[in-house]
Amino acid sequence: NAGVMQNPRHLVRRRGQEARLRCSPMKGHSHVYWYRQLPEEGLKFMVYLQKENIIDESGMPKERFSAEFPKEGPSILRIQQVVRGDSAAYFCASSYSVSSYEQYFGPGTRLTVT
Amino acid sequence: GNSVTQMEGPVTLSEEAFLTINCTYTATGYPSLFWYVQYPGEGLQLLLKATKADDKGSNKGFEATYRKETTSFHLEKGSVQVSDSAVYFCALSDSGAGAGSYQLTFGKGTKLSVIP
Repeated sequence: NAGVMQNPRHLVRRRGQEARLRCSPMKGHSHVYWYRQLPEEGLKFMVYLQKENIIDESGMPKERFSAEFPKEGPSILRIQQVVRGDSAAYFCASSYSVSSYEQYFGPGTRLTVT
Repeated sequence: GNSVTQMEGPVTLSEEAFLTINCTYTATGYPSLFWYVQYPGEGLQLLLKATKADDKGSNKGFEATYRKETTSFHLEKGSVQVSDSAVYFCALSDSGAGAGSYQLTFGKGTKLSVIP
C-alpha cells in the first residue's frame, strides 16, 4: 500500500510566480491536512479538507493561498504570486477518518522562492 | 495558544548510548501528546502517543511519559542504534482551545545522529 505521495519534492519559483503543490493521500483516505514548516519553526497546521470540501482553513493565510481536494485526483495547495517568505517545507497528511492519531504524512515539498 | 518546545539539535551520540530529547508544552485543554520521527527522504511517522496524564507511550524501544505537573513529554531510549538517526518531532493536539482535535501543533524537531 503506497504511502502519501507529494510532488514535486523540490520546487523553485521566482517572486511573483505561482506554486502548485500536489498531495495524493493513501488509498482509502478521504481526509487531507496541509502543514507548513518555516525555517527554524515547527510544522504548523494550514488547512483540513475532505473530498470536495474545505472543512477548516483557519491556519491558511487569507490571501494568495488556496487549497482543493477534488472528487478525482490529488489535493492541490496553490500559492499565487509567491514571495520570499513563502519559502518553506509543505507537508501533507491523510487519514481514513478525522483524526489526530492516525495522520499519515508525506515526505513534503520544499519550496524555494528566489 | 498551544505550543511545543523541544531541545535544540543536532544531537550526536555513539551507538548504545542513552537518549533523552526534552519536550515541554503549553495547552489550554487536555491535550494528547505525540512523538513523530522523520527518516531521511521520508514522511513523518507516528512513533508513540499518550492521551492522558501519567500515560506512557512506547514503541521500538522508545518511551515517553505524559507528565501533567511539569507539562512535559520527554523521549527516551536506553540504547540507540545507527538506524535511529532521524529527526524527532514532539507534537500535541488539543481541542480545548476551540481548535479541531485533528490539528497537530509541532515542535521544531531535533536531529539525532548516531555514530558507530
